[in-house]
Amino acid sequence: GNSVTQMEGPVTLSEEAFLTINCTYTATGYPSLFWYVQYPGEGLQLLLKATKADDKGSNKGFEATYRKETTSFHLEKGSVQVSDSAVYFCALSGGYNKLIFGAGTRLAVHP
Amino acid sequence: DAMVIQNPRYQVTQFGKPVTLSCSQTLNHNVMYWYQQKSSQAPKLLFHYYDKDFNNEADTPDNFQSRRPNTSFCFLDIRSPGLGDAAMYLCATSLGPKEQETQYFGPGTRLLVL
Repeated sequence: GNSVTQMEGPVTLSEEAFLTINCTYTATGYPSLFWYVQYPGEGLQLLLKATKADDKGSNKGFEATYRKETTSFHLEKGSVQVSDSAVYFCALSGGYNKLIFGAGTRLAVHP
Repeated sequence: DAMVIQNPRYQVTQFGKPVTLSCSQTLNHNVMYWYQQKSSQAPKLLFHYYDKDFNNEADTPDNFQSRRPNTSFCFLDIRSPGLGDAAMYLCATSLGPKEQETQYFGPGTRLLVL
């Protein structure tokens, strides 16, 4: 079945550090891939998405590229801010737009 | 702004006492979803409606039901809440059922069972 594996957290960084959160997936067919962000006590917000191989999603300085050959969708940001502290979920969209999420990675950014 | 609204944000109920959570949307989307998210875990899909068609996930307990009286509203009913049902319940919508469609989430309702 479809599944998503993402790196365990928490990830602790200093402000302006480079961020990578790894995400790999297992899926039949060609799913769409998403990164969602969840701030404390809030629902999920779409951060970026990619719908086919080699697509790059980007938003607010975050980027991720849909790599079919390595079944990966790693999230990167060149310079994180304290306001980026949140939980990040990688997800794939399977049949009938069912979202399957990874376990989430908590990011803490310190000044 | 078009949005997904969930009320209340916090709900306290007693063990075994039926409870209903509500979700409304101003996006005029065709699909509405309910997810359960337990502490420090990923959201898990319970069921979804595509228009009036109800689609239940195979492992969703019978204790959980849903109603969608019109396009804008969708309700989650928990018939006899147990302590293990304490969680954040997230409502989401998408324009259609295609896998490329973005799902838009509400802020969630945190359910506490005493």
